Amino acid sequence: NAGVMQNPRHLVRRRGQEARLRCSPMKGHSHVYWYRQLPEEGLKFMVYLQKENIIDESGMPKERFSAEFPKEGPSILRIQQVVRGDSAAYFCASSPGTGRGDDNEQFFGPGTRLTVL
Amino acid sequence: AQKITQTQPGMFVQEKEAVTLDCTYDTSDPSYGLFWYKQPSSGEMIFLIYQGSYDQQNATEGRYSLNFQKARKSANLVISASQLGDSAMYFCAMSPFSGGYNKLIFGAGTRLAVHP
Repeated sequence: NAGVMQNPRHLVRRRGQEARLRCSPMKGHSHVYWYRQLPEEGLKFMVYLQKENIIDESGMPKERFSAEFPKEGPSILRIQQVVRGDSAAYFCASSPGTGRGDDNEQFFGPGTRLTVL
Repeated sequence: AQKITQTQPGMFVQEKEAVTLDCTYDTSDPSYGLFWYKQPSSGEMIFLIYQGSYDQQNATEGRYSLNFQKARKSANLVISASQLGDSAMYFCAMSPFSGGYNKLIFGAGTRLAVHP
């Protein structure tokens, strides 16, 4: 049973380019969370999605950032016109459901390290 | 406001000794979950232990135990018999249940170094 997959693992972009980060949740998981980790900091929640729906995007910058989780295929975090401050590790996590308890534990992917030159 | 505070930026411990990593939290939600994750230098996030706010007993998982003091709003992680492989960043996280889903709020982390 494969874990959460993220690709690419490392991504280098020049200022102004677009970055596309992909996340394939664990089999049977329909809930995806994206987090950002700036250097030497903890993870910060960005967005929570279910299949075809954005449920909570309160942690995502209003400009340049978007996320989707289509019916088929991986979840995508898209950053347009990247700036140096976007350099960070972006983690995706999936869970089988919602609610209480560690039965809905979030399983994290290995992260995508984005570097903006 | 929902907040996690980890006051120890770095900790040192001798191999085979026990160490406590501090975590305090702030929430107005009546029910919530508390998590600890380990992040080694390779960068992945490894789930260690979970405590529900309604759980009567402190959680334990092998060498990890969570010292949960609800009145003090603290959820300290205790690692017994430290090993060299325990050297890593450790993050405390909380998930308030009011939203109906497990959005995690993380602390800034504690870097643990285990010395031989």
